[in-house]
Amino acid sequence: NAGVTQTPKFQVLKTGQSMTLQCAQDMNHNSMYWYRQDPGMGLRLIYYSASEGTTDKGEVPNGYNVSRLNKREFSLRLESAAPSQTSVYFCASRTSQRGTDTQYFGPGTRLTVL
Amino acid sequence: AQSVTQLGSHVSVSEGALVLLRCNYSSSVPPYLFWYVQYPNQGLQLLLKYTSAATLVKGINGFEAEFKKSETSFHLTKPSAHMSDAAEYFCAVRLSNDYKLSFGAGTTVTVRA
Repeated sequence: NAGVTQTPKFQVLKTGQSMTLQCAQDMNHNSMYWYRQDPGMGLRLIYYSASEGTTDKGEVPNGYNVSRLNKREFSLRLESAAPSQTSVYFCASRTSQRGTDTQYFGPGTRLTVL
Repeated sequence: AQSVTQLGSHVSVSEGALVLLRCNYSSSVPPYLFWYVQYPNQGLQLLLKYTSAATLVKGINGFEAEFKKSETSFHLTKPSAHMSDAAEYFCAVRLSNDYKLSFGAGTTVTVRA
């Protein structure tokens, strides 16, 4: 099992450009999450998907959109990138089975917006 | 609402010394509590979790944490630090009826030879 995979690993954008961050998991998990990590602020939830076909806003959703394409894939889109979106983005997944309450994280995408 | 406070953004310990990382939470009901570790340029890995069974939880790499409801704390300890413990550590909380984790700001551990 590859676990949670994310592409790309690194990306540099100019202000106003758009891009989609891809995330896939092969653990048959129901829930998937997108976080951003900024120094001194821990991880903040952008969006999450409790199950296939549903998405909900997290703590910092402004400037982002998501798509739960199927059970495996959950993408994050920046329509018009801003320097404030420079961050490290992590995708995570979690099963809803009782007793296995653990989120598994991908390796992250380092995004710089100039 | 729930929040997590990690006391101390940086901790420096000597190799072989005790590692103590502090975490306090605020929650109206007993939550699920987690410690994650992040090594440089990697994602987060679960160290241990408290899910209302034993209050003393043992995790990987010799770490353990104790849930103290009266103090709303979930401090992480390791009796003897190793150079490989140098990393950033995050405390997180989740309510039983919620899908979301709330993370603390993180504590960076440096281990001195």
